[in-house]
Amino acid sequence: LAKTTQPISMDSYEGQEVNITCSHNNIATNDYITWYQQFPSQGPRFIIQGYKTKVTNEVASLFIPADRKSSTLSLPRVSLSDTAVYYCLVGGRGFGTGFQKLVFGTGTRLLVSP
Amino acid sequence: NAGVTQTPKFQVLKTGQSMTLQCAQDMNHEYMSWYRQDPGMGLRLIHYSVGAGITDQGEVPNGYNVSRSTTEDFPLRLLSAAPSQTSVYFCASSSTGTPTDYEQYFGPGTRLTVT
Repeated sequence: LAKTTQPISMDSYEGQEVNITCSHNNIATNDYITWYQQFPSQGPRFIIQGYKTKVTNEVASLFIPADRKSSTLSLPRVSLSDTAVYYCLVGGRGFGTGFQKLVFGTGTRLLVSP
Repeated sequence: NAGVTQTPKFQVLKTGQSMTLQCAQDMNHEYMSWYRQDPGMGLRLIHYSVGAGITDQGEVPNGYNVSRSTTEDFPLRLLSAAPSQTSVYFCASSSTGTPTDYEQYFGPGTRLTVT
């Protein structure tokens, strides 16, 4: 499973756009890139997943360049409630099953201030 | 739907004791898994199951047993608790049939302390 590198922490203010970049130089051809969010004392929550180019949902956007060696999670107009730890994960889709083994790093601790 | 539920929320054990952490999901998901999270760290996969009767080891399986007799339940057994097993344990489930394939739904966690 490919290892990921992301900043340990980031600070932002309410209303700003936040971009968290993740490096995954050893990503394999069948690997997908997934981001999870975790609040204190809670389990992680899925944010977004993509394979290449750009994926957008109601919460975030995920930008993946052509070489797929990095990805950027973009959170538009953050609020105080976006303060959390964000994990970038890379993994294949099951190799014959539908289970995706997730390898969590230490994540990026985002602090949003008023 | 209740989603993924875990019991108990908190547990204190003495070294050498055994116990079972319960996990249940009501989403009819095929896949279930157990993770542990140590302070300041990410989650590590302990065991997982791709269906009733089928389990496999993850990254840190030693000291833990699992079984999957039904689709809904996936208990994690600590055979002989050790202080190194002090952690927060999360159960998760997923299915290729969800709107977002492979999205894992996590339970609220069980905080275990072994003294």
